[in-house]
Amino acid sequence: AQSVSQHNHHVILSEAASLELGCNYSYGGTVNLFWYVQYPGQHLQLLLKYFSGDPLVKGIKGFEAEFIKSKFSFNLRKPSVQWSDTAEYFCAVKSTGKLIFGQGTTLQVKP
Amino acid sequence: EPEVTQTPSHQVTQMGQEVILRCVPISNHLYFYWYRQILGQKVEFLVSFYNNEISEKSEIFDDQFSVERPDGSNFTLKIRSTKLEDSAMYFCASSELGGTGRNSPLHFGNGTRLTVT
Repeated sequence: AQSVSQHNHHVILSEAASLELGCNYSYGGTVNLFWYVQYPGQHLQLLLKYFSGDPLVKGIKGFEAEFIKSKFSFNLRKPSVQWSDTAEYFCAVKSTGKLIFGQGTTLQVKP
Repeated sequence: EPEVTQTPSHQVTQMGQEVILRCVPISNHLYFYWYRQILGQKVEFLVSFYNNEISEKSEIFDDQFSVERPDGSNFTLKIRSTKLEDSAMYFCASSELGGTGRNSPLHFGNGTRLTVT
């Protein structure tokens, strides 16, 4: 069965620190990869997506992610986090019709 | 930007009661989904819906659950006889296309928090 694994459950950073959240998936065929963010009390919002082409994708709010096919990974990065980045981050893979989500990573950024 | 809207934002019900969660997907989208997130757990797929029928459902989506598109705009999730373990945040989503491809990202609503007492 397809699965998505996020390595970190809870990350605490100070403002201006660099961020990398790990994501691995288990499906070997054609996949679309996504990172969603859920700010407190809000809905899931799409941060960025990978379909094909350049494996380094840039999203909103300065986030980027790199697709490494050989490692089945799609890690999320941001060079310098802000307090407003405090949220829950979900990696997801779509191979047919449905999205499979990872368990989520809670990011807490201290001012 | 067009949004997926869900009502109500919070629903409290007693065990054994029926609940209907409502969603208005983005108007030109053709694929509709329900997901749920039990507190502290991952977001789980429940069901996908296309062309007025279920295209895929998970093992969670048992006979207690049903979905319907009663008119051209609403997409509803009904739980016939709620159980305590149905307490969760329920998210509706829609996408322009299904499968993989550039027009297939899911757009999510704000969710309905269902509390079963």
